[in-house]
Amino acid sequence: DTAVSQTPKYLVTQMGNDKSIKCEQNLGHDTMYWYKQDSKKFLKIMFSYNNKELIINETVPNRFSPKSPDKAHLNLHINSLELGDSAVYFCASSHRGGEQFFGPGTRLTVL
Amino acid sequence: AQSVSQHNHHVILSEAASLELGCNYSYGGTVNLFWYVQYPGQHLQLLLKYFSGDPLVKGIKGFEAEFIKSKFSFNLRKPSVQWSDTAEYFCAVSVLYNQGGKLIFGQGTELSVKP
Repeated sequence: DTAVSQTPKYLVTQMGNDKSIKCEQNLGHDTMYWYKQDSKKFLKIMFSYNNKELIINETVPNRFSPKSPDKAHLNLHINSLELGDSAVYFCASSHRGGEQFFGPGTRLTVL
Repeated sequence: AQSVSQHNHHVILSEAASLELGCNYSYGGTVNLFWYVQYPGQHLQLLLKYFSGDPLVKGIKGFEAEFIKSKFSFNLRKPSVQWSDTAEYFCAVSVLYNQGGKLIFGQGTELSVKP
């Protein structure tokens, strides 16, 4: 059983398009996260939701809009995609402050 | 602001060699400490974690790490590496009680093990 799942695994799109990445966890955690891993493999927090409430927004451009319809889901919508948005996006979940479980990642390529 | 520094960008070892990867963090308060591993093309997996108690923690696959509070360090060790340990290793810190428990990662250390 997959603990944290993301779809799609790969996403190739043109500049200026709008795209979404979905994340679901079946671990019963109350906190979910989005991280971005750049081409140098550096990982940085983007957003965090606790019980559907946004608690972290790390100076991410407002083209990125997370949405949490319930505690088990955290989706990421990106408007007007730019070349610099190309990266691997990881979803994660935890009980707040505890061990985080990561999804398989979504490799986004903007052409 | 909190930060995590990993000493080595790329480490190359032969099988059976011993491994130590350095990690230092900057934060004066209470933290949780983690080491994650990322095998090529895969997601992050937890190797081990320190929350409290014995500063020497053992993880999966024969890895261990020692938390030295006075040095703000959490170095990862393995006495004898295998070819299958080839991966990217990330040290991470989460700050308790605020900031939503976000993980602050180091830059990563690429480990290459030669058979």
